[in-house]
Amino acid sequence: DAGVTQSPTHLIKTRGQQVTLRCSPKSGHDTVSWYQQALGQGPQFIFQYYEEEERQRGNFPDRFSGHQFPNYSSELNVNALLLGDSALYLCASSYLPAGADYGYTFGSGTRLTVV
Amino acid sequence: DQQVKQNSPSLSVQEGRISILNCDYTNSMFDYFLWYKKYPAEGPTFLISISSIKDKNEDGRFTVFLNKSAKHLSLHIVPSQPGDSAVYFCAATAGSNYKLTFGKGTLLTVNP
Repeated sequence: DAGVTQSPTHLIKTRGQQVTLRCSPKSGHDTVSWYQQALGQGPQFIFQYYEEEERQRGNFPDRFSGHQFPNYSSELNVNALLLGDSALYLCASSYLPAGADYGYTFGSGTRLTVV
Repeated sequence: DQQVKQNSPSLSVQEGRISILNCDYTNSMFDYFLWYKKYPAEGPTFLISISSIKDKNEDGRFTVFLNKSAKHLSLHIVPSQPGDSAVYFCAATAGSNYKLTFGKGTLLTVNP
């Protein structure tokens, strides 16, 4: 059973460019959340998608946007990249009706470096 | 504003001994707490969780204790094994708020 799959694993971009990161959730999961983990920090919540809609959003600017497709996969888009966007981007999937069980499964992440 | 704090960046213990990882939180709305383990080049892996209506939850070698009045939780690993060496994250969430708020993590090293 494949878990959460993220692509690409590593990416180098130039300031001002745009980037798209992709996530395929674990089989049976219908919800995708995105987190940013800067060096030496814990993961920070960006947003969550369920039924192709943004369900909740963390404290991130509008440069960060996302999308969920009918097959539950998701994309994270970041526009006008800044050096400070360099981080590990983690995708987590879950099955919403699991409720407080919060059975999040994380992918291995995409390491984004902005130069 | 760090709502979940792990004040020890690192911890080193001998194999077979107890590892105790601590976590403090400031948001009294948090009602569900989780511990994740992370190896290098991998995503966080769920370890154990506890609801605010409990003060203890056990799963094999892992036990989480919650002290609501002190807004403190701890993860006990007994006995510690070298394979437990990883970064441990404490996370919290509030009611129907689906986002997890993480601490900065504690690097646990278990020496053979």
